[in-house]
Amino acid sequence: GNSVTQMEGPVTLSEEAFLTINCTYTATGYPSLFWYVQYPGEGLQLLLKATKADDKGSNKGFEATYRKETTSFHLEKGSVQVSDSAVYFCALSDRGSTLGRLYFGRGTQLTVWP
Amino acid sequence: DTGVSQDPRHKITKRGQNVTFRCDPISEHNRLYWYRQTLGQGPEFLTYFQNEAQLEKSRLLSDRFSAERPKGSFSTLEIQRTEQGDSAMYLCASSSRQGPNEKLFFGSGTQLSVL
Repeated sequence: GNSVTQMEGPVTLSEEAFLTINCTYTATGYPSLFWYVQYPGEGLQLLLKATKADDKGSNKGFEATYRKETTSFHLEKGSVQVSDSAVYFCALSDRGSTLGRLYFGRGTQLTVWP
Repeated sequence: DTGVSQDPRHKITKRGQNVTFRCDPISEHNRLYWYRQTLGQGPEFLTYFQNEAQLEKSRLLSDRFSAERPKGSFSTLEIQRTEQGDSAMYLCASSSRQGPNEKLFFGSGTQLSVL
């Protein structure tokens, strides 16, 4: 079946620190991979995505590379800001289904201190 | 574009009561999704509509749950005979594109507490 495992939080960093949130997946086919972010009091927002192996998704300084050989899609940012404090969700979509049917990880709470 | 709107934001009910939630998608979005998120977990897919047709339902959607989208615009999710295990955040999302460029827009959710 399809599932996503992501690094448990919470993660606490100082401003300008390097961020990595690990995500690995299990899928029956060749999924599309996503990172969603949920800021306090707001709905989930798509942060970045990759639809095939070796693709790199990027947005707002965040990056993640689709690694088929390690079934991973780790989220990275070189220098975090206080405004990056949020919950981050890794997700996949099975090509055999509608792209909107997403399988989410449990989420990783990130807190950035000034 | 006012975003996906969900009503109410919070609902407290007693076990055994029926509850109904409403979702207003972004106008002209023909796809609408319902998800459920329990504390400490990621969202789980419940069901989705393309226009007024309900095309897919998760096994999580027991007989006590029913969703409708009668005119292909807003949608309602009803839970009958609520149980404490139904306590969760119910999320709605909509999209307009199909294929690899489909992008979901999520509402802020309805938080249900069953006492």
